Amino acid sequence: DVKVTQSSRYLVKRTGEKVFLECVQDMDHENMFWYRQDPGLGLRLIYFSYDVKMKEKGDIPEGYSVSREKKERFSLILESASTNQTSMYLCASSAASAYNEQFFGPGTRLTVL
Amino acid sequence: SQKIEQNSEALNIQEGKTATLTCNYTNYSPAYLQWYRQDPGRGPVFLLLIRENEKEKRKERLKVTFDTTLKQSLFHITASQPADSATYLCALWDYKLSFGAGTTVTVRA
Repeated sequence: DVKVTQSSRYLVKRTGEKVFLECVQDMDHENMFWYRQDPGLGLRLIYFSYDVKMKEKGDIPEGYSVSREKKERFSLILESASTNQTSMYLCASSAASAYNEQFFGPGTRLTVL
Repeated sequence: SQKIEQNSEALNIQEGKTATLTCNYTNYSPAYLQWYRQDPGRGPVFLLLIRENEKEKRKERLKVTFDTTLKQSLFHITASQPADSATYLCALWDYKLSFGAGTTVTVRA
């Protein structure tokens, strides 16, 4: 079974802190994605990557950056956390063709105080 | 602007009945449409994918239709069970995957 793991289930940070969210997948998938999920808004794509060291902006990249140094690992970075970044963050991966089904991690609920 | 709309209200149904969820979209030309299930506190889980040239797809008690003229997909759960209670998300592939906000289904025993 594909497994996507995220470094934390719950995280509490203070405004202005730098925050790292880590995601690891174990199925050698080419594609990895970061979403945030807020009530009534659904999942919104922050960044995605189709290959190592490659990254593309999604719909809401402002205030975020990403890093993909290894195929299995995709990190989301909040350079200076703000209260409006309080959300559920979900990582996903998919194989080869980008329209393929995505496998999601359990999510990280981030609270910024 | 682009929009994906799912049933605005939560769906409450009796066990054994068929649940029908709608997904309408505007200003997309999706080549593929996917449906996911999400349980509280968990990530979404893929259920079905349907291509633009397919009218209908079935998997066990699930059936999905895709009408590119109406710009609509219908998702049916037949012979529903309490274990089917969850939030169901539709997602359109139009060079990237875009998700609707989801419909919460509760099946009463």
